[in-house]
Amino acid sequence: EAGVAQSPRYKIIEKRQSVAFWCNPISGHATLYWYQQILGQGPKLLIQFQNNGVVDDSQLPKDRFSAERLKGVDSTLKIQPAKLEDSAVYLCASSLGGGSLDNEQFFGPGTRLTVL
Amino acid sequence: GENVEQHPSTLSVQEGDSAVIKCTYSDSASNYFPWYKQELGKGPQLIIDIRSNVGEKKDQRIAVTLNKTAKHFSLHITETQPEDSAVYFCAASRRITFGTGTRLTIIP
Repeated sequence: EAGVAQSPRYKIIEKRQSVAFWCNPISGHATLYWYQQILGQGPKLLIQFQNNGVVDDSQLPKDRFSAERLKGVDSTLKIQPAKLEDSAVYLCASSLGGGSLDNEQFFGPGTRLTVL
Repeated sequence: GENVEQHPSTLSVQEGDSAVIKCTYSDSASNYFPWYKQELGKGPQLIIDIRSNVGEKKDQRIAVTLNKTAKHFSLHITETQPEDSAVYFCAASRRITFGTGTRLTIIP
């Protein structure tokens, strides 16, 4: 079974630039999550989708971050404009279940973003 | 919201010895407690989880205990091996909140 795919794996940009990350979840998984992991910390949930609807985006900085999952499969996370403090690994995860947080989440390898 | 504290932040044990990592949580409504292992350059991987209606769960060399009254849970790894070296995260729901991680190093 193919795992969660993310691209790019690494991205370096200057502050105030824009960047987008892509995630392809495990086939058949209804729920998709985006996390931000700052160096030395645990992942922090940014947004959770169930199919193409948003379940929880309470920790997403909506003034600069946006995410979509238009067809209920792939998802993109965008930052515009980027700040220095956005430097982190952005993890995508998916789970089979219908939005309940006690379904096992499978994580992708992450995208390491460096903002200069 | 939920607050999860994890200790210790680093832990070194001799190969073959046991390792214990402890977490506390704040939201008494949390009912699901997974543990993840993260190797360098990879995403976290679920290694064991426990639900609030169970006090202990074991899977081969890994066990997790939960004390709902005290709001703490622990990961126990016995007979540690070099491949157990990684960063371990505890987490608690309802909105899944991760601890700060424990870097475990197994000394051959």
